Order: sequence, then C-alpha cells, then structure tokens
Amino acid sequence: DQQVKQNSPSLSVQEGRISILNCDYTNSMFDYFLWYKKYPAEGPTFLISISSIKDKNEDGRFTVFLNKSAKHLSLHIVPSQPGDSAVYFCAATQGGSEKLVFGKGTKLTVNP
Amino acid sequence: NAGVMQNPRHLVRRRGQEARLRCSPMKGHSHVYWYRQLPEEGLKFMVYLQKENIIDESGMPKERFSAEFPKEGPSILRIQQVVRGDSAAYFCASSPWGGGQPQHFGDGTRLSIL
Repeated sequence: DQQVKQNSPSLSVQEGRISILNCDYTNSMFDYFLWYKKYPAEGPTFLISISSIKDKNEDGRFTVFLNKSAKHLSLHIVPSQPGDSAVYFCAATQGGSEKLVFGKGTKLTVNP
Repeated sequence: NAGVMQNPRHLVRRRGQEARLRCSPMKGHSHVYWYRQLPEEGLKFMVYLQKENIIDESGMPKERFSAEFPKEGPSILRIQQVVRGDSAAYFCASSPWGGGQPQHFGDGTRLSIL
C-alpha cells in the first residue's frame, strides 16, 4: 500500500528551464509535506516543506504547491541548474506522528 | 549532510553475523529516526527514539532488529543473525524536537550481506 506516489521515475530538462516534479498521496490524514534532494552515496537533504493549511510555499528557486482536494503536490524549480541533478523524494506525515512516508523518488537530470 | 554522523559508511557481514550501525545526531537534537532504503525504493521508516526511550517502532521487523538511544553516546541499530534480505542503505535522521520539524539525515550505512 503505497501512500505517497511519485509516478515519474525520471525527468530531463534543459538548464534554465522549469522543472516540475509531481507527487500524489492517498492518506487524507497527511497534513505536512516535505521535499528532499538526494545525491548518490549521500543522505537526503531537506529542501522545502508545506503545511496543509497553505497551498503554496516558496524558497528561492524552489516552490511547492499543494492541492488538497486532488491530494497532489508539486515542486517547481526555476531556473533549473545542472547542480539540481539528483533524485527528489516527496515525503508526508500526519499530526501526532513523527513517521515520514516517502515516495520512490524522481531522478532529475538538468542538461547544460 | 554535515551534522548527523553515521558509521560505518559501509559494512559487510556474512549471513548469521550481527550488524551494529551507529548514529550521532546533530548537536542539540534529541529525536532520532532510522529509515531503510532498498534498491530502487524510497526510504521506509523503521523506528523513532528519544533519549532512553523508543517512541514508535512500528516499522521495525518483529525479530532480529533492535534500536536504542542511550543517555550517553550514539543511537545504535542492531541486526542480529543477518540475512541477504537485510542488504540495504540504512539512514539515520535527527530533529531538535518533534511536531513536524524537518528531519536532517546522515549519509547512511550501506550494509552488504555475503
């Protein structure tokens, strides 16, 4: 039972363009969502998060959008840079639980 | 990923041996979490600990796996009588307090079972 789904295993974009990574979830109790970036042989690095009381959160080149009715969130990276090439994980949790539920990840490649 | 220290980075064990994975949280963090990542999969929650207490072990296999976070020293994830299926990357994370604060991860221990 996969509660957090990232349906695109990979995404390739040109440098300077927008990268859009998508994530769907099934558990309506989730109320806090996070995006992590992971390079090979390293641990995940926290990027940005959003609470269910918001529908958008922005931090520099990274913006996360949350559509609660569709149980969908997305991460926008503008402009994309080659250093953004990594695996991006969507994660979710619900109030009272410290357990993060992760998707399987999307491998982003930004071509120079 | 500076801050959360995991060791060893790579660990090789033969079937039936014990594996001990260590995690020192970031300074000032008293909440520790362990996750396991199998190839081509996302991270799966195993256990959540605070100093001297296991808070949530709902992701731990019922047998052979145990975790502790003593008053002094690092958190330890112990796997007894390892089997091939235990081969994975094990990540530790920490946070200063709970309540949805982002968890910060170490670089993991890659466990290989011969």
